[in-house]
Amino acid sequence: AQKVTQAQTEISVVEKEDVTLDCVYETRDTTYYLFWYKQPPSGELVFLIRRNSFDEQNEISGRYSWNFQKSTSSFNFTITASQVVDSAVYFCARLTGANNLFFGTGTRLTVIP
Amino acid sequence: EAGVVQSPRYKIIEKKQPVAFWCNPISGHNTLYWYLQNLGQGPELLIRYENEEAVDDSQLPKDRFSAERLKGVDSTLKIQPAELGDSAVYLCASSPDRGTEAFFGQGTRLTVV
Repeated sequence: AQKVTQAQTEISVVEKEDVTLDCVYETRDTTYYLFWYKQPPSGELVFLIRRNSFDEQNEISGRYSWNFQKSTSSFNFTITASQVVDSAVYFCARLTGANNLFFGTGTRLTVIP
Repeated sequence: EAGVVQSPRYKIIEKKQPVAFWCNPISGHNTLYWYLQNLGQGPELLIRYENEEAVDDSQLPKDRFSAERLKGVDSTLKIQPAELGDSAVYLCASSPDRGTEAFFGQGTRLTVV
């Protein structure tokens, strides 16, 4: 099966600590896209980032950074100097060549003040 | 620009009753997705539309679920009859083109009693 695996179900960190959320995917597609979404307690899924399979360049956006490695089929997400507002469920997702978007089971991050 | 709009936000019905959810995607977005999200789980794809065509409904339980997207804009997801196990959040999302990120509505939380 072409799955997206987020092995960390829950993570708790103290405010200002760095935290990395893991994502491993399976695919038979040569062209695909990977995403991270944030789901705060309000429930709405918020898009964070998209990477395509041909671009392995890491990306940084403020306190967020993403590490995409095709060799290990991983697309990990790091939050630097975490804040209480970062507390949410984070989902990794993959868009297939057929344009279907599949999600992992999510990682619940709790940032303790 | 308005985001994806879903209604109602909450719905409580008795089992065996019908229920319908409505979604208005972002203007100009050709792709529309319906997802089901159980508590503590990631969103699970039910059906994907490209314009008015349901191009992937393989995960839709067709004995009781149906969907339509008339004129390739708004979409309705129906359950008839509802069962206790259908209690979940139903999410609608849209994207402008293949390979692009999907934007989600706030979802409809269904409770079947």
